[in-house]
Amino acid sequence: DTGVSQDPRHKITKRGQNVTFRCDPISEHNRLYWYRQTLGQGPEFLTYFQNEAQLEKSRLLSDRFSAERPKGSFSTLEIQRTEQGDSAMYLCASSVPNSPLHFGNGTRLTVT
Amino acid sequence: ELKVEQNPLFLSMQEGKNYTIYCNYSTTSDRLYWYRQDPGKSLESLFVLLSNGAVKQEGRLMASLDTKARLSTLHITAAVHDLSATYFCAVAAGGSQGNLIFGKGTKLSVKP
Repeated sequence: DTGVSQDPRHKITKRGQNVTFRCDPISEHNRLYWYRQTLGQGPEFLTYFQNEAQLEKSRLLSDRFSAERPKGSFSTLEIQRTEQGDSAMYLCASSVPNSPLHFGNGTRLTVT
Repeated sequence: ELKVEQNPLFLSMQEGKNYTIYCNYSTTSDRLYWYRQDPGKSLESLFVLLSNGAVKQEGRLMASLDTKARLSTLHITAAVHDLSATYFCAVAAGGSQGNLIFGKGTKLSVKP
């Protein structure tokens, strides 16, 4: 069990640019989740996959956000036309059904 | 819409003392989680509570769930400095397998 791996750890980008983050889940976990966390708040759900199928997406998620998990293993989260309000820690987690989520160390995004 | 409230949000304790963190949620749910987060780190799963009256203990931490009152507690016994962290409760949104609603967290500081 090597844990959930996220890349990059930090990303600084200018407003209007696109960014993409990668998440590698724990290998035997078929569920993968994306959350966002801002300072002083709990994580906020963005979306989750079971295998390659995206089963749920937050109603609050802008159309600028898209996530994929093409082969049911790693996942990418893309943010298009970034805004300063997108600055946050983006957390990926994985699990098997009905078990706790195992979180990665996150990607910290700063939009200038 | 499910809301999760924790209190207190900040807690400063003396080593050796006992205290309880409360987590209230607004609608029925079949799963409640407790997580710990150290500064700059990701979230670590502590407990999963699945049924009314469930009680789980690990070291100096004990979690319980009252589904009728929609209340979970995290009790700290004889606190030590190593317990200093932010503690989050999270509740599964009704009907969702992936959407956890997190509280704002309780930042615990244990002083010698």
